[in-house]
Amino acid sequence: AQKVTQAQTEISVVEKEDVTLDCVYETRDTTYYLFWYKQPPSGELVFLIRRNSFDEQNEISGRYSWNFQKSTSSFNFTITASQVVDSAVYFCAHKAGGSYIPTFGRGTSLIVHP
Amino acid sequence: NAGVTQTPKFQVLKTGQSMTLQCAQDMNHNSMYWYRQDPGMGLRLIYYSASEGTTDKGEVPNGYNVSRLNKREFSLRLESAAPSQTSVYFCASSPDGTVYNEQFFGPGTRLTVL
Repeated sequence: AQKVTQAQTEISVVEKEDVTLDCVYETRDTTYYLFWYKQPPSGELVFLIRRNSFDEQNEISGRYSWNFQKSTSSFNFTITASQVVDSAVYFCAHKAGGSYIPTFGRGTSLIVHP
Repeated sequence: NAGVTQTPKFQVLKTGQSMTLQCAQDMNHNSMYWYRQDPGMGLRLIYYSASEGTTDKGEVPNGYNVSRLNKREFSLRLESAAPSQTSVYFCASSPDGTVYNEQFFGPGTRLTVL
């Protein structure tokens, strides 16, 4: 069975600091997909990024970047120069190819202080 | 497009009461899901519907029933509410749950069972 571990329950930083959210997954699948979602204080989950198991290219989108490493089964998320608006709970998820069911990590609560 | 809508936003029930949570999506998605979110537990799948006319159990189905009324609507019913069902419930949809698609989430329903 798949498992997603987000070991950091809560991270607290001061604005403009860089922060990395860790995501480690366990899978026996050759084909799988990884996702990050953001849940701001308003409560609604918002999709951020997806990766498939054959694409290990890192991704950068503005202040956000993602590092996918199959060798360590990790899909980490870095926010550069954090802002108060980044305060949210972030979820990492894994889905096996051909499966309807994603497995979510328990989430990391990021608090960015002004 | 409204995306995924859920009603009601808040509900308080007494133990033993029944209620139905409504979910609708206007994105012509095939797959729909119901999750519950509890503090420190992440998102746990209750039921999902791979396509219109099918429903399947997720990780925590006990105490719940679902109906995929049509392609747009997927309802979740609590027949006899229990305090353990106090939670935030999210509905989600996906174009095709098996492939490289993210999920789109509704705003959630906050349910309290006294």
